[in-house]
Amino acid sequence: EIVLTQSPGTLSLSPGERATLSCRASQSVSSSFLAWYQQKPGQAPRLLIYGASTRATGIPDRFSGSGSGTDFTLTISRLEAEDFAVYYCQQYGTFGPGTKVDIK
Amino acid sequence: QVQLQESGPGLVKPSQTLSLTCTVSGGSISSGSYSWSWIRQPAGKGLEWIGRIHTSGSTNYNPSLKSRVSISVDTSKNQFSLKLSSVTAADTAVYYCARWWDPWGWFDPWGQGTLVTVSS
Repeated sequence: EIVLTQSPGTLSLSPGERATLSCRASQSVSSSFLAWYQQKPGQAPRLLIYGASTRATGIPDRFSGSGSGTDFTLTISRLEAEDFAVYYCQQYGTFGPGTKVDIK
Repeated sequence: QVQLQESGPGLVKPSQTLSLTCTVSGGSISSGSYSWSWIRQPAGKGLEWIGRIHTSGSTNYNPSLKSRVSISVDTSKNQFSLKLSSVTAADTAVYYCARWWDPWGWFDPWGQGTLVTVSS
């Protein structure tokens, strides 16, 4: 069973700053199966990135995904107020524990 | 566009069976390369995949829940359902249904979620 680890657990940043979130798999995974989600309080998660690097429909281009093998990254180029949320990576039936991006 | 909506009791007694239904609107549950999935989230915690079903009837379950879970589909009603038996307080969570993109396993879209509390 693949285990996904996300770091950091919490990222405190200011609007306009760049956010870099990491997702590490316990063994190599195909990039095609790696996805990222955003979840705001009281809301369902929303698909941001699939196939490790493809933005889902309607996702702004300040969000980008990269990586391969065991190491994947979600980058938010310039944080906007609505981006402060929890972000999860996912591979098939496994989710990472999440990274909370909060306002510094 | 496709939308999903969970429904079912918000309160279940310990040792009983939790039953939820997800209604799919805006498209046929049988069309496209999709399966249909359940995911849950205890308050303040992360996401746990429960299982999925293809409209062919094939299922896959989280090994940690497999002995207690059953997912079924009713294509005539454009619905799929979850049954979780022998529930305890640890099963208290928000339960989401979501479309699973075969074969890659991405979840999109999601239902809004429904809170199920296990308590006597």
